[in-house]
Amino acid sequence: NAGVTQTPKFRILKIGQSMTLQCTQDMNHNYMYWYRQDPGMGLKLIYYSVGAGITDKGEVPNGYNVSRSTTEDFPLRLELAAPSQTSVYFCASSYSGQGPYEQYFGPGTRLTVT
Amino acid sequence: GENVEQHPSTLSVQEGDSAVIKCTYSDSASNYFPWYKQELGKRPQLIIDIRSNVGEKKDQRIAVTLNKTAKHFSLHITETQPEDSAVYFCAGHTNTGNQFYFGTGTSLTVIP
Repeated sequence: NAGVTQTPKFRILKIGQSMTLQCTQDMNHNYMYWYRQDPGMGLKLIYYSVGAGITDKGEVPNGYNVSRSTTEDFPLRLELAAPSQTSVYFCASSYSGQGPYEQYFGPGTRLTVT
Repeated sequence: GENVEQHPSTLSVQEGDSAVIKCTYSDSASNYFPWYKQELGKRPQLIIDIRSNVGEKKDQRIAVTLNKTAKHFSLHITETQPEDSAVYFCAGHTNTGNQFYFGTGTSLTVIP
C-alpha cells in the first residue's frame, strides 16, 4: 500500500491564482481530512469528509473548496490565492467503524503565495 | 468546538532523563486522544493514543495518562535519546463533527 499520497510536494503561486492539491489514499478509509500547518503551529482542520459525496467544513474553510467523488480521492481547491494561504497542507485519512481510529497523514504540500 | 491546549511549547532535557508534555481539553464528549511526533519537514506520525475509557497506556519508553475528570492528558517519555528530538502534538477527537483538534506542539530537544 502506498498509504496517503499528495501532489505536488511544493508549489509557488502568485496572488489571485488558483490550484488544486491532490490527495489519494489506497487503504479504503471512509474518513479523509485536509489540514494546514503554519510555521511553529499545530494543525488546523480545513475540510473533512466522512465518505464519498459528503464533505463538511472544519475550523478554517474560507478560501478553500473540496469534493469527494470517490472513496480514494479528496482534492482541495484554492481559489484566488492569498499570502495568508502560505502554509504546509496535509491530507489525512482514517477508518471509523466503531472508532475513532488513527489518522494516516500524507507527506504534505508546501505552498507559497507571493 | 473543542479547544486543546498544550504545554510547554519547548522542552530541553539531558539524554536519559524523562520528558513530560501536558494537554488539556474543553469538550467532555471527547473520546480519543492521539499523540504525534513530527520531525523537521516530515509528516506527523502517531506514537501512542488513548481512549476515554482507559486511564493509562504504555508502549516501551512512552506512556500516556488521561484524567477525564480534570480533562487533561499527558505524554511521558522515559530514558530519552537524541532521536526523540522532534515536535510533539497532542490531539483530541470529538464525535461532534468527527473532528480532531490539535495542540500547538512541543519542541523537544534531547541533549546528548
